[in-house]
Amino acid sequence: KQEVTQIPAALSVPEGENLVLNCSFTDSAIYNLQWFRQDPGKGLTSLLLIQSSQREQTSGRLNASLDKSSGRSTLYIAASQPGDSATYLCAVRPGGANSKLTFGKGITLSVRP
Amino acid sequence: GAVVSQHPSWVICKSGTSVKIECRSLDFQATTMFWYRQFPKQSLMLMATSNEGSKATYEQGVEKDKFLINHASLTLSTLTVTSAHPEDSSFYICSAPKPGQSGEQYFGPGTRLTVT
Repeated sequence: KQEVTQIPAALSVPEGENLVLNCSFTDSAIYNLQWFRQDPGKGLTSLLLIQSSQREQTSGRLNASLDKSSGRSTLYIAASQPGDSATYLCAVRPGGANSKLTFGKGITLSVRP
Repeated sequence: GAVVSQHPSWVICKSGTSVKIECRSLDFQATTMFWYRQFPKQSLMLMATSNEGSKATYEQGVEKDKFLINHASLTLSTLTVTSAHPEDSSFYICSAPKPGQSGEQYFGPGTRLTVT
């Protein structure tokens, strides 16, 4: 059974800092991995999607990497801003475009002004 | 803009009543949609997979008679919480796969259900 772990559960950093959020998964046979952002009381916003054949994806100040063999993904946030404060979840899809996602518990990020 | 909508965004109901939540895909068709619930400070728990034209597939431990799912059309799935109890109070989120083989999921904004 696939398990997704995100540690630590919470992180507080000063504005401007570059930071890395970690995600690990137990079964390397994945179709893709997706990073989401969730603001309090809101739904999920997709940030980056990495297919199993890819190593990384970039969007603006965000960069996500994937190492399937070691079961790890990282989300790199450059020059963090208070507006980046949110919960970041990673989720893996085992196989097929419509297969079920397995989520981590998320990392709650607070960026202090 | 949003590609998956949910209605209502929040609802308060009394114990014993039923409440329906709608999930719509906007400008694309979805033969499959997913329903999740999320407790405070917890991750998303998949409840069921909604399939257009056939019965929903429920995850282990989810009561199908309590959480009725109907995939009425290629753009609409509904979740009805029947005989609601306070412990059903939660945040319910639906998602739909982006058309194609990317495997990307679009998520709705969620529905906050409070049962008094």
